[in-house]
Amino acid sequence: AQSVTQLDSQVPVFEEAPVELRCNYSSSVSVYLFWYVQYPNQGLQLLLKYLSGSTLVKGINGFEAEFNKSQTSFHLRKPSVHISDTAEYFCAVTTSGTYKYIFGTGTRLKVLA
Amino acid sequence: GAVVSQHPSRVICKSGTSVKIECRSLDFQATTMFWYRQFPKQSLMLMATSNEGSKATYEQGVEKDKFLINHASLTLSTLTVTSAHPEDSSFYICSARVGSSMSTDTQYFGPGTRLTVL
Repeated sequence: AQSVTQLDSQVPVFEEAPVELRCNYSSSVSVYLFWYVQYPNQGLQLLLKYLSGSTLVKGINGFEAEFNKSQTSFHLRKPSVHISDTAEYFCAVTTSGTYKYIFGTGTRLKVLA
Repeated sequence: GAVVSQHPSRVICKSGTSVKIECRSLDFQATTMFWYRQFPKQSLMLMATSNEGSKATYEQGVEKDKFLINHASLTLSTLTVTSAHPEDSSFYICSARVGSSMSTDTQYFGPGTRLTVL
């Protein structure tokens, strides 16, 4: 079975500062990894996904994530955050053929002026 | 982009009543729809997988007789919480999947429905 751990429930950061949201996964088979963002009163939106190939994945809104198989991590980064990035961020994993996503508990990013 | 709607956005009901939640893909046809449940400060937990015209597949521990899923068309799935009790109070989220392989697979999520059972 797969699992996802997001250790940080909340991350406060000042505007224009860099941020890293951590995600670790556990799986005995190859995985596909995702980051979703949820703004208040909206559905989850896909930020980026890793399926195969280059371990550095670039997504929307200036976010990127790096797949590290040895550390079983898929941390999300942004070099300079904006107030509008304040939201809940979810890491998710799935395996080939199931299309069922296992989600982490989410990290609330709060960007401070 | 693709939009998934849920109706209602929030509902309050009395214990023992049934509540129906609709999930619609507004501008695309979904291969599969998923229903999730989210408790405060917890992750989304997959409840069931729904394919148009066939019975839903429920995850372990989810009571299929309590959470009835009907996938009437490629754009509509409904979740009915039967004989609701306070412990069923939660945030219910649906997603609609398109794509035929992992490389093309995309899930679009609805905004969720907040159910409160008194």
